[in-house]
Amino acid sequence: DAKTTQPTSMDCAEGRAANLPCNHSTISGNEYVYWYRQIHSQGPQYIIHGLKNNETNEMASLIITEDRKSSTLILPHATLRDTAVYYCIAFLRTGTASKLTFGTGTRLQVTL
Amino acid sequence: DSGVTQTPKHLITATGQRVTLRCSPRSGDLSVYWYQQSLDQGLQFLIQYYNGEERAKGNILERFSAQQFPDLHSELNLSSLELGDSALYFCASSVGTSAQETQYFGPGTRLLVL
Repeated sequence: DAKTTQPTSMDCAEGRAANLPCNHSTISGNEYVYWYRQIHSQGPQYIIHGLKNNETNEMASLIITEDRKSSTLILPHATLRDTAVYYCIAFLRTGTASKLTFGTGTRLQVTL
Repeated sequence: DSGVTQTPKHLITATGQRVTLRCSPRSGDLSVYWYQQSLDQGLQFLIQYYNGEERAKGNILERFSAQQFPDLHSELNLSSLELGDSALYFCASSVGTSAQETQYFGPGTRLLVL
């Protein structure tokens, strides 16, 4: 799986959009970009994923650059409950074998 | 609630002992994954089972073993425990066959080895 690089930490004011960047310059054409978050010591929570096109769901939007070397997760109106570590992962399944390779993630602190 | 359940939530034991962690996947999921999260190593993949068979292996110690049963629940066995095995252990599940499927994580088991 391709390596991803994320900033160690970011701050965001409550109610504002949180834009979390991720670099994945060595991503292959069939690797998906997945985002998870972990709130305190809870189990990682799936947020969104994409391959080439931008994606949106009820939690967030994912913007992937045309060359697929980077992406941005957007939380449109951050709340205090969005304070968490956010992980960007390049994922490739091989047959029925797969795994998620977590990096160190971005610690997002949402403040009043 | 992801639909993945793990028991127990907390476990305190002594060095040299053996423990078993249990995971029940979401209904319909055939794949189960185990991850370890320690303070110094972050979230690390241990092992994956698909429909009862081992499919992928990470940096799982020889003292650790896992299995997936016919009803698809999985158990992670940790033996000859050391202080360094203290960690959060997460189980995840997925359907197991799609290129873009999502792994859903359970709440974890917090293991403390004294």
